[in-house]
Amino acid sequence: ILNVEQSPQSLHVQEGDSTNFTCSFPSSNFYALHWYRWETAKSPEALFVMTLNGDEKKKGRISATLNTKEGYSYLYIKGSQPEDSATYLCAFLGNNNDMRFGAGTRLTVKP
Amino acid sequence: DVKVTQSSRYLVKRTGEKVFLECVQDMDHENMFWYRQDPGLGLRLIYFSYDVKMKEKGDIPEGYSVSREKKERFSLILESASTNQTSMYLCASSAGGPYNEQFFGPGTRLTVL
Repeated sequence: ILNVEQSPQSLHVQEGDSTNFTCSFPSSNFYALHWYRWETAKSPEALFVMTLNGDEKKKGRISATLNTKEGYSYLYIKGSQPEDSATYLCAFLGNNNDMRFGAGTRLTVKP
Repeated sequence: DVKVTQSSRYLVKRTGEKVFLECVQDMDHENMFWYRQDPGLGLRLIYFSYDVKMKEKGDIPEGYSVSREKKERFSLILESASTNQTSMYLCASSAGGPYNEQFFGPGTRLTVL
């Protein structure tokens, strides 16, 4: 059974703080890694799709890195804002089209 | 604008009832998925479909079945609802290959009494 683990489970930061969290996944049979952002009462929305070892992607103040050899991805948020409050999910996709989501990191940004 | 819709936001059913959850996407996507989300467990894949009339079991298919008669519609069926199927159900769709991002519906919160 593939394990996709995210840490921390939850995080409280002050507005303006920069923060990061981790997604760990199996390093074998890697195909792709997705990051999603899920705000309360809304649908999850894709942030990044990452496929190559060493990939770095950026969207505004949010960026992500990928290390497929050691099986982890980091998501960074620079200068957190209250509107960044959400659950951030990562999803591992293996070579056999198996897709596994982590349990998410719940971020709360206090004004 | 890309859209995935689900038939109900909230649903309350009784144990033993047959329950239908409908999902419709308007993006002509080949792939459609049903997940359930429970606290601390993340999204778990129930069933998915890569084409009309085609279905594949996900991680937790027991107690569920699906139907995909048309490309835009993917239905999740609980043949005989049980209290342990109380959960948030999310439908998603994606185009083409597995690299592509999934687009999610708003979810249906199902309570089985």
